Amino acid sequence: GNSVTQMEGPVTLSEEAFLTINCTYTATGYPSLFWYVQYPGEGLQLLLKATKADDKGSNKGFEATYRKETTSFHLEKGSVQVSDSAVYFCALSFRQGAQKLVFGQGTRLTINP
Amino acid sequence: EAGVVQSPRYKIIEKKQPVAFWCNPISGHNTLYWYLQNLGQGPELLIRYENEEAVDDSQLPKDRFSAERLKGVDSTLKIQPAELGDSAVYLCASSLRQHQKDNEQFFGPGTRLTVL
Repeated sequence: GNSVTQMEGPVTLSEEAFLTINCTYTATGYPSLFWYVQYPGEGLQLLLKATKADDKGSNKGFEATYRKETTSFHLEKGSVQVSDSAVYFCALSFRQGAQKLVFGQGTRLTINP
Repeated sequence: EAGVVQSPRYKIIEKKQPVAFWCNPISGHNTLYWYLQNLGQGPELLIRYENEEAVDDSQLPKDRFSAERLKGVDSTLKIQPAELGDSAVYLCASSLRQHQKDNEQFFGPGTRLTVL
């Protein structure tokens, strides 16, 4: 079946540190890949996405590249801020068929000033 | 533009009691999803509607869970009777289904259910 695996949290960094949150997937076919973010007390928000191999999604200083050869979609940011503290979810879906999002378990990120 | 609205935000009930959650999707969105999010986990799909039709309810525990989307707009998710293990966050999302396109899903804030 289709599944997503994220690095275990929680992750705690200092402000301006470099961030990587690993995400790998298992899927039949070629899914679209997403990163969602959940700020405290708020709903899930789409952070970025990539729809095919070698695509790079980017938003708010975050980036992730769709790597088909390693079935990965790692999230990176060069310099994190306190306001980036949130839970981050990697997910996949297919354009056809079910179109449901399959999520990883989430990674809680805390940035200290 | 208003986002996905859910109510109530929080609900505490005793086991064996019924409970209902309501969702109002973004105006014009024809697809509506209910997800279950257990503590420390990612959301899992319970049911997906295309307009008023439930097109994927394979993960909905039909012995105690039911859902409806009358007129293809608002939706209600019900649990009867609730069990301790139903304590979780219930998320509603909506999207505008377009052929061969990624249909971005917009999520509501969720309803946090506690069953005592």
